Amino acid sequence: KQEVTQIPAALSVPEGENLVLNCSFTDSAIYNLQWFRQDPGKGLTSLLLIQSSQREQTSGRLNASLDKSSGRSTLYIAASQPGDSATYLCAVSNSNYQLIWGAGTKLIIKP
Amino acid sequence: DGGITQSPKYLFRKEGQNVTLSCEQNLNHDAMYWYRQDPGQGLRLIYYSQIVNDFQKGDIAEGYSVSREKKESFPLTVTSAQKNPTAFYLCASSPTGGGQPQHFGDGTRLSIL
Repeated sequence: KQEVTQIPAALSVPEGENLVLNCSFTDSAIYNLQWFRQDPGKGLTSLLLIQSSQREQTSGRLNASLDKSSGRSTLYIAASQPGDSATYLCAVSNSNYQLIWGAGTKLIIKP
Repeated sequence: DGGITQSPKYLFRKEGQNVTLSCEQNLNHDAMYWYRQDPGQGLRLIYYSQIVNDFQKGDIAEGYSVSREKKESFPLTVTSAQKNPTAFYLCASSPTGGGQPQHFGDGTRLSIL
């Protein structure tokens, strides 16, 4: 059974720092991996989607990598800003195209 | 603007009562999903539908029911059989299944009176 883990559960860093969020999964037979952002009391916004054949995707200050063999993905945020404060969730898509979710990392960027 | 609308934003359920959460999308997406989110846990799939008049149970379907009579609408009923319904409920849609990015509504927070 696929399990997705995100560590740490919470992270607080000063504004301007570069940071990395981690996501690990137990079964490497995935269709794709997605990173989402969730603001308090809100729905989710898709940030990046990496197909199983890809190694990374970039969007602005965000870069997501995927290493299927080791069951790991990272989300790199460059030059962090207070507006980046949110919970970041990763999810993997299995062969039935359902998403298996991590519990998220709550990120706080201190001005 | 295209998007997903969930209503109401807050909902309270009395003992033994069924309540229905609304989800409407104008993105012309075929697939729609209902998730439950509890503190400290990942989202869990309740039901999903890949086409009108068809839907499948997710991991935690017990105590819930859905319908998909129209492409735009995928309402979720939380029945009295669901003994622990307090949670944040999220509706999503995607163009088809196949792991495409899902678009989310702003959620409904359900509490017990």
